[in-house]
Amino acid sequence: EAGVTQFPSHSVIEKGQTVTLRCDPISGHDNLYWYRRVMGKEIKFLLHFVKESKQDESGMPNNRFLAERTGGTYSTLKVQPAELEDSGVYFCASSQEGSVQPGVGANVLTFGAGSRLTVL
Amino acid sequence: GNSVTQMEGPVTLSEEAFLTINCTYTATGYPSLFWYVQYPGEGLQLLLKATKADDKGSNKGFEATYRKETTSFHLEKGSVQVSDSAVYFCAQVALNRDDKIIFGKGTRLHILP
Repeated sequence: EAGVTQFPSHSVIEKGQTVTLRCDPISGHDNLYWYRRVMGKEIKFLLHFVKESKQDESGMPNNRFLAERTGGTYSTLKVQPAELEDSGVYFCASSQEGSVQPGVGANVLTFGAGSRLTVL
Repeated sequence: GNSVTQMEGPVTLSEEAFLTINCTYTATGYPSLFWYVQYPGEGLQLLLKATKADDKGSNKGFEATYRKETTSFHLEKGSVQVSDSAVYFCAQVALNRDDKIIFGKGTRLHILP
């Protein structure tokens, strides 16, 4: 079974440019999460999709970030325009359907390797 | 609010040394607790978990015990290997609250041959 795939693995852009990160979850996983780790800090929740719907986007830092999941398959996270403080590693994770605690039972999260974003 | 605090790294040990990475949490109620590991170039992987007080999670020689009285979930391994070099994240999920995982800052572990 293929895991969660993210690309690009690393993106270097200048302040003010646009970047789009993509996540392909495990096939059949309804839940898709985006997390971000800024250098030296915690991995923080950004948002959660259930199929194509945004279940919770309370962690999105501001309106420069736009996440989509058309058709309930892959997801994109666009940053426009990028700022220096957006640099970090963006993780995607997916899990099977259900509203139980992530990480417990069948709802174990599978994470991707992350997309490292560097804004100069 | 809920949080996770883990020891700062990097931690550098020689092969076969004993490992402890401390983790404490703050939470309302009794969360589930996890350790995740990220090996170089790979995604975060669930290493072990414990869902209630006094539970011990174990995997690949690593262990952690859910201590309610000290709100801790320290990660231990009796004899580390070079292949254990990775970043380790302690995390919690609060029962019956929003389903976000709350992570610590991560601890980078270097094992020298």
